Amino acid sequence: EVQLLESGGGFVQPGGSLRLSCAASGFTFNSHAMNWVRQAPGKGLEWVSSISGSSGSTSYADSVRGRFTISRDNSKNTLYLQMNNLRAEDTALYYCARDNFPMGKGWFDPWGQGTLVTVSS
Amino acid sequence: SYELTQPPSVSVSPGQTATITCSGDRLGDKYASWFQQKPGQSPVLVIYQDAKRPSGIPERFSGSNSGNTATLTISGTQAMDEADYYCQAWDSSTAVFGGGTKLTVL
Repeated sequence: EVQLLESGGGFVQPGGSLRLSCAASGFTFNSHAMNWVRQAPGKGLEWVSSISGSSGSTSYADSVRGRFTISRDNSKNTLYLQMNNLRAEDTALYYCARDNFPMGKGWFDPWGQGTLVTVSS
Repeated sequence: SYELTQPPSVSVSPGQTATITCSGDRLGDKYASWFQQKPGQSPVLVIYQDAKRPSGIPERFSGSNSGNTATLTISGTQAMDEADYYCQAWDSSTAVFGGGTKLTVL
């Protein structure tokens, strides 16, 4: 069974940092690009970042570029999101989602259960 | 930046057909996906590559995409289909989601 399990969320002050993790199992991790998607409380889905299966290609939403860094460790089947200089508007439930293709731009399936990030003073 | 527009809400009676639209510039030139999200749950893929259904998704879910509009159709809508629905497409290397449509079955 394909599973994605996010962790690392929490409460942080503005300007602070957090690193999210997404542990994957049940599939060949390096054969799939991976994505982070967030959802602010009561709001819609917002794509955050993608990384190819080999880590050779990454992309970011304008709202996080320069502050967030996506990475992966294929030996540990784990996806990461390093979030720096956090802002109140980054408060959201952060999901990881598997892409169907190794280079990305496919469909997102499945999704993890999410990890909550709260940025507040 | 590329935008996808969905109606905020759609209502349908049980057993009837629900239609949710997603509009974007030349969206028909891209592949559209659709996700269902029930309260307190993670999104679930219901349609990919415009019209394909993942395994386990009921046949009453179908999709199409042409021109500037992608459409999710739910035939014989059931109470369990009440949820938020999001469309998604790729614009270059950026994934874009629609704002979401709340489907009410009443």
